[in-house]
Amino acid sequence: GAGVSQSPRYKVAKRGQDVALRCDPISGHVSLFWYQQALGQGPEFLTYFQNEAQLDKSGLPSDRFFAERPEGSVSTLKIQRTQQEDSAVYLCASSLGGQGAYNSPLHFGNGTRLTVT
Amino acid sequence: AQKITQTQPGMFVQEKEAVTLDCTYDTSDQSYGLFWYKQPSSGEMIFLIYQGSYDEQNATEGRYSLNFQKARKSANLVISASQLGDSAMYFCAMSWWSDTDKLIFGTGTRLQVFP
Repeated sequence: GAGVSQSPRYKVAKRGQDVALRCDPISGHVSLFWYQQALGQGPEFLTYFQNEAQLDKSGLPSDRFFAERPEGSVSTLKIQRTQQEDSAVYLCASSLGGQGAYNSPLHFGNGTRLTVT
Repeated sequence: AQKITQTQPGMFVQEKEAVTLDCTYDTSDQSYGLFWYKQPSSGEMIFLIYQGSYDEQNATEGRYSLNFQKARKSANLVISASQLGDSAMYFCAMSWWSDTDKLIFGTGTRLQVFP
C-alpha cells in the first residue's frame, strides 16, 4: 500500500508479557518515528531513526522499551515485561527526507492499541 | 523548552459554517515549523497544513488556513465551510531547528460538526 502500515491493530497482553509492534513505512522514506499516545492526549515522542541509525531514543520511558530498524525500512518497537501504564496507542510515522521532523510533514500509520491487563 | 498549548478541549460548529481552533506555542528558536493534524476515530493522524516561521504569508490548503501571528506566538487553524466529515480531533504540532528529531503536539481539540 501507499501509506504507513502498522500491525497488529490491537494487542492485549497480560502484565509481564513481552510484545512486538511492527511498522512498515512508506517505501523510500528515510526518517521513521515512534510515538506513544495515551487516551485523551496528544502523541508523545519515543524515538527517531534515520535509515537504520537510531539517532534519538530520548523519549523511551524505560529500558523495557527497545526499537530497531535493521535494514532501514521496517521497524519494530519491543516492550519487555509490559506494565499497565504501557497501555496506549503506539503510532509510527515516516517522512521522506533525512532532516527528521523539521519542516517536513510526517505520515502516520493507524497505530497499534496496546492494552495491558 | 518548547511547548504547544491548545485551550479548547471541544468545539461545536454547524455544517457550512467556519470555525477557528486555537493554538499557541512557546519556543526560543527562531527557526521552527507549525503543523496541524486531524485524527478521526480511525486513529490515523492526517497532515493538514504547515507554516514555517519565516513564511510571511499565512498558509492555505483548500478549506484550511492557518492564521499565523508570530508576535503573539499563535497559529490558529481556520476551517471554512465545515462538513460533517470534519468531525475529529485536531492537533497542533511544532518542530524546531535545534532539535530536528522531534515534533511535539498539543493536547488536541475535539471538533463536532452538526447538521
